[in-house]
Amino acid sequence: DTGVSQNPRHKITKRGQNVTFRCDPISEHNRLYWYRQTLGQGPEFLTYFQNEAQLEKSRLLSDRFSAERPKGSFSTLEIQRTEQGDSAMYLCASSLIGIGQGHHIYGYTFGSGTRLTVV
Amino acid sequence: AQSVTQPDIHITVSEGASLELRCNYSYGATPYLFWYVQSPGQGLQLLLKYFSGDTLVQGIKGFEAEFKRSQSSFNLRKPSVHWSDAAEYFCAVAGGGADGLTFGKGTHLIIQP
Repeated sequence: DTGVSQNPRHKITKRGQNVTFRCDPISEHNRLYWYRQTLGQGPEFLTYFQNEAQLEKSRLLSDRFSAERPKGSFSTLEIQRTEQGDSAMYLCASSLIGIGQGHHIYGYTFGSGTRLTVV
Repeated sequence: AQSVTQPDIHITVSEGASLELRCNYSYGATPYLFWYVQSPGQGLQLLLKYFSGDTLVQGIKGFEAEFKRSQSSFNLRKPSVHWSDAAEYFCAVAGGGADGLTFGKGTHLIIQP
């Protein structure tokens, strides 16, 4: 178990450019989540996948944001036409959810994040 | 919709003293509750979590938390803090669907020598 891995750690981009981040979850985890954290705030939920299916998207996720999880393994988060307001830490997390009599969460692990600065 | 309130933005504690960080949540049913710690520029590390059963939960680094349904609270405690505990602490709640977490705004813990 090598934990949740995110790349790159830092990204500086010019306004209007597109950026893509990658997240590699813990291999046996079936759920993958994306969050955004701005300075002085707690993380805010963006979207999550159960295996390869994207099950929920927050209203925070504008049309310029898209996330994929092909084959239910790693995930990418793309931001098109970046704006200065997109500057934030983007966090990925993974968990193992057992569904029987209710949902049981076995672990909920975050990566170290990708810090995006839009100049 | 669920929500989390951490009433204390900053807390200063002397090294060796006891600590309690407050967390109140809003959710209609039994929630999943979490405490995470974050050092500057780093990701979040899970301290402990509550799903069901014993309302006193033990975590890593000597932390514990108690779920009190009547008060909608999940306060984090440590009997004796160390300088290395200085960090940002976040309480979070998830609903019965175990989907995204809703976080509080965090409490910044400062340790005085």
